[in-house]
Amino acid sequence: GAGVSQSPRYKVAKRGQDVALRCDPISGHVSLFWYQQALGQGPEFLTYFQNEAQLDKSGLPSDRFFAERPEGSVSTLKIQRTQQEDSAVYLCASSLAFRSPITEAFFGQGTRLTVV
Amino acid sequence: DAKTTQPPSMDCAEGRAANLPCNHSTISGNEYVYWYRQIHSQGPQYIIHGLKNNETNEMASLIITEDRKSSTLILPHATLRDTAVYYCIVRVAFFRYNFNKFYFGSGTKLNVKP
Repeated sequence: GAGVSQSPRYKVAKRGQDVALRCDPISGHVSLFWYQQALGQGPEFLTYFQNEAQLDKSGLPSDRFFAERPEGSVSTLKIQRTQQEDSAVYLCASSLAFRSPITEAFFGQGTRLTVV
Repeated sequence: DAKTTQPPSMDCAEGRAANLPCNHSTISGNEYVYWYRQIHSQGPQYIIHGLKNNETNEMASLIITEDRKSSTLILPHATLRDTAVYYCIVRVAFFRYNFNKFYFGSGTKLNVKP
């Protein structure tokens, strides 16, 4: 596709429910990032993939958060037993290369998760 | 990781230049300065980046001070569509492990007024 695609755009979950958020990066992009953005705040890093390898998951807030990218393309962010504090916009970004620092990342529109 | 400081908000008249400042006093020699913006309900959009030289593209200009401790993003002729939150980011790249991430702060809310 032309850009990073995320689905669903909006998700309402009952507290305790599991959710799965999908990210389709730009074709051929090696690097993939997940960010969490709380209302009124800047995005905060969650995790990073280089192809199918998850090289950094230092930003995942708890073991209820899990991300995968099994074939090095589509990625899924899963949140188990959702809590109200998980309510946020979840952003996915991809970039072409990983060896140079000068490649920009392209962001999707995000998935707005509301836990009730 | 270097952190950035930006004013929380700024106003600009339509058609005027918008100058958005950013302080990054702890930046290290191999860290780049990136600017992104986020229009309401959209994902962040790349604007421009630089290391130590001034840069210009079709969207904006980036002026980096000689000591690299601060920079200014310039939108030469702001329009109403430029109303957004602008993030100044110092990008850390770990070549050895080939991963990188962006640290966003709270950004500057630019209000372009008619």
